[in-house]
Amino acid sequence: GQNIDQPTEMTATEGAIVQINCTYQTSGFNGLFWYQQHAGEAPTFLSYNVLDGLEEKGRFSSFLSRSKGYSYLLLKELQMKDSASYLCAVGGFSGGYNKLIFGAGTRLAVHP
Amino acid sequence: ETGVTQTPRHLVMGMTNKKSLKCEQHLGHNAMYWYKQSAKKPLELMFVYSLEERVENNSVPSRFSPECPNSSHLFLHLHTLQPEDSALYLCASSQSLDQETQYFGPGTRLLVL
Repeated sequence: GQNIDQPTEMTATEGAIVQINCTYQTSGFNGLFWYQQHAGEAPTFLSYNVLDGLEEKGRFSSFLSRSKGYSYLLLKELQMKDSASYLCAVGGFSGGYNKLIFGAGTRLAVHP
Repeated sequence: ETGVTQTPRHLVMGMTNKKSLKCEQHLGHNAMYWYKQSAKKPLELMFVYSLEERVENNSVPSRFSPECPNSSHLFLHLHTLQPEDSALYLCASSQSLDQETQYFGPGTRLLVL
């Protein structure tokens, strides 16, 4: 079966660093995605990892270990606008196409 | 970001009503998706279309009926819904079924009374 786990909620302080973890079990792995979703808005694409290691993009970095079924999203220099839900999604080839399976999301609250 | 638009943004309907949700993508993509997002639950894939052909119907009840007249437009026709169908319905598109990155619209917040 397919399963994705991430913490439900996290809090952090403005200016700090926060790491959001995601563990997964899936067949036909074809990449891991992180999306950001502000309340009432569309999920927006943040990062994509298909090989092991760290991908850095500005204040956001994403890490993948395929052997451990583990990823994390690292947010540096937190800003109030980073308060949002962060969705971990695993891509897998199933039924003839690449399908995204989403975790329930981690709601991050950044406070002053 | 206006690559994928959805209308209406909010919808309240009774269980005997018929309504339609509309999605339009301006990205030149060939694949489109409908997802359901309920509170504190993962996004659930409902339907997948590639080049106007339905690829996936993910065990969705027949009271939800998708339509894809062309690669830029996707509809979700609703009839005789149940209160448990109240959720955020998200449309997404990708360059193709082989292209993993999906781009989402803002969603339609649906309330069934």
